[in-house]
Amino acid sequence: AQTVTQSQPEMSVQEAETVTLSCTYDTSESDYYLFWYKQPPSRQMILVIRQEAYKQQNATENRFSVNFQKAAKSFSLKISDSQLGDAAMYFCAYRSGNTGNQFYFGTGTSLTVIP
Amino acid sequence: DAGVTQSPTHLIKTRGQQVTLRCSPKSGHDTVSWYQQALGQGPQFIFQYYEEEERQRGNFPDRFSGHQFPNYSSELNVNALLLGDSALYLCASSLGIGLADDNEQFFGPGTRLTVL
Repeated sequence: AQTVTQSQPEMSVQEAETVTLSCTYDTSESDYYLFWYKQPPSRQMILVIRQEAYKQQNATENRFSVNFQKAAKSFSLKISDSQLGDAAMYFCAYRSGNTGNQFYFGTGTSLTVIP
Repeated sequence: DAGVTQSPTHLIKTRGQQVTLRCSPKSGHDTVSWYQQALGQGPQFIFQYYEEEERQRGNFPDRFSGHQFPNYSSELNVNALLLGDSALYLCASSLGIGLADDNEQFFGPGTRLTVL
């Protein structure tokens, strides 16, 4: 089974600064999808950004961007110009490209934004 | 356009009891997946329903069962509750079970189950 590792249980960032959240994964597949989800205290998981493994270009969504290193099996999330509303749990997730859309999640990183 | 809804929001049960959680998928979606999220952990996949059949299952015992109705809504049933079943149960909906790029899962707000 695929495993997803987030080695930073907690991170903090000053408002307007940049922070990077780390994620590594283990898979023998070549075709897969990677995601970052945000879970605020309201509990609803919200998709932040996604990356298709076959695409070499790193995905970006406004202030959010990823650094996808396929050979290293690394998928970090960079949040630029951090805002108070970015404070939440962030989960990295893996979805197989071959065996259906079961998601494998990491244990999460709690992000605090300091005013 | 209604998103994924779940009921109830909170639930308290005692060991040995049975519980049913409900999920209505996002409008236009026909596939429902269930996840268990223990405190401080990431969600763990329980199973997925499509066309009223269980299509995939994670590493959960048979005490966990489900159902999908013709209107695509779904139920998660847990029998013989254990203390360790206390968790947030998330439902996610998507369109189809293919592997298309746009097959995004939308999550509901979850049901918090506490087993005493």
